[in-house]
Amino acid sequence: QKEVEQNSGPLSVPEGAIASLNCTYSDRGSQSFFWYRQYSGKSPELIMSIYSNGDKEDGRFTAQLNKASQYVSLLIRDSQPSDSATYLCAVIGGGSQGNLIFGKGTKLSVKP
Amino acid sequence: GAGVSQSPRYKVAKRGQDVALRCDPISGHVSLFWYQQALGQGPEFLTYFQNEAQLDKSGLPSDRFFAERPEGSVSTLKIQRTQQEDSAVYLCASSSGGVTYEQYFGPGTRLTVT
Repeated sequence: QKEVEQNSGPLSVPEGAIASLNCTYSDRGSQSFFWYRQYSGKSPELIMSIYSNGDKEDGRFTAQLNKASQYVSLLIRDSQPSDSATYLCAVIGGGSQGNLIFGKGTKLSVKP
Repeated sequence: GAGVSQSPRYKVAKRGQDVALRCDPISGHVSLFWYQQALGQGPEFLTYFQNEAQLDKSGLPSDRFFAERPEGSVSTLKIQRTQQEDSAVYLCASSSGGVTYEQYFGPGTRLTVT
């Protein structure tokens, strides 16, 4: 059973701080990794994709991938109240047709 | 440009009724996925199409669930004889099918079975 694990939170950070979200996955053959943001009552919105070890930065977001440790993280710098949402980690498992395997999500709350 | 659209946005069905949920993917996207999301959970894969071919239906929970994409564009997810456990948000996602595999989601259809 291919699994993706996230801390459900809630993770609470003050406005302007760095929020750190973590994810581990069980399938060592996984090659593609994604972070989605989901506001309450809305659908998931893709914010980052990462495919190789190391860091990938896009604006205030940095995704980090360590395939040896089967670990993916998302850092949000200068957190804003509008970043308050559930963050879903998703993985495409090795040998799959491309379907995403999601974690349960981490709820982030940014306090003004 | 236009994103993925889904209809209806909300559907209430009495137990035993059949329902049909529609997905219109991003124009030109060859890959289309259906997911089911229960409250407080991440989306779970149901089925996958590449153009009109259904290449993976391993996530469909029972033979009451059926999906089609006859012309390789719009897709319909049909649920026959709905049960209360079918209540969930049904999400459609599309992808260009290139090497990046990025999937973009529609707004979802919230199905409530009473």
